[in-house]
Amino acid sequence: EAGVAQSPRYKIIEKRQSVAFWCNPISGHATLYWYQQILGQGPKLLIQFQNNGVVDDSQLPKDRFSAERLKGVDSTLKIQPAKLEDSAVYLCASSSPTTRNSGANVLTFGAGSRLTVL
Amino acid sequence: GQQLNQSPQSMFIQEGEDVSMNCTSSSIFNTWLWYKQDPGEGPVLLIALYKAGELTSNGRLTAQFGTTRKDSFLNISASIPSDVGIYFCAGSPSGSARQLTFGSGTQLTVLP
Repeated sequence: EAGVAQSPRYKIIEKRQSVAFWCNPISGHATLYWYQQILGQGPKLLIQFQNNGVVDDSQLPKDRFSAERLKGVDSTLKIQPAKLEDSAVYLCASSSPTTRNSGANVLTFGAGSRLTVL
Repeated sequence: GQQLNQSPQSMFIQEGEDVSMNCTSSSIFNTWLWYKQDPGEGPVLLIALYKAGELTSNGRLTAQFGTTRKDSFLNISASIPSDVGIYFCAGSPSGSARQLTFGSGTQLTVLP
């Protein structure tokens, strides 16, 4: 099956500019996640969608970050205005529940979009 | 929120050697996952653990869910050059991906 697609792979912007990232999850995966991975750290969840609804956006800096998944398939993550500390890899992941543990989800990650803010 | 301590932060080993790394949590988890991330790629799931004491293998990789439910271990036997990468543990107290917390990673370098 095709994996999680993300674009662009790389983006360099100046602070206070805006940027948008796009994600297309694995076909049939209802749940979609955006993670931020700062260099030297593990991924940190920003927002989780179930179909086109937001399940958890408690760690999304809503003053500058926004995300949508209007048709319940692909998603966009936007940053406006960007700050230096937003430099990171933005990973999209999708999942479907496993059969072994009804509550457990196993994530499949895309390759990420690397953002550099100058 | 939960905190995960992953160690070691980095390892340099000779090809053919065995490797061990571990994660400890400040709280109880009921799911532990181990991922590998290659440069320029997203993390790829290696092993998933769902039960305390569970020992699961995937080829040369073996992971264990600690009996205290606050730790997990990953072992790689007979390392090869393609084992190079960053290994992440991740745990969830509820089994939900929404509460999945990642460790800071172990950077593995395999020397020929």
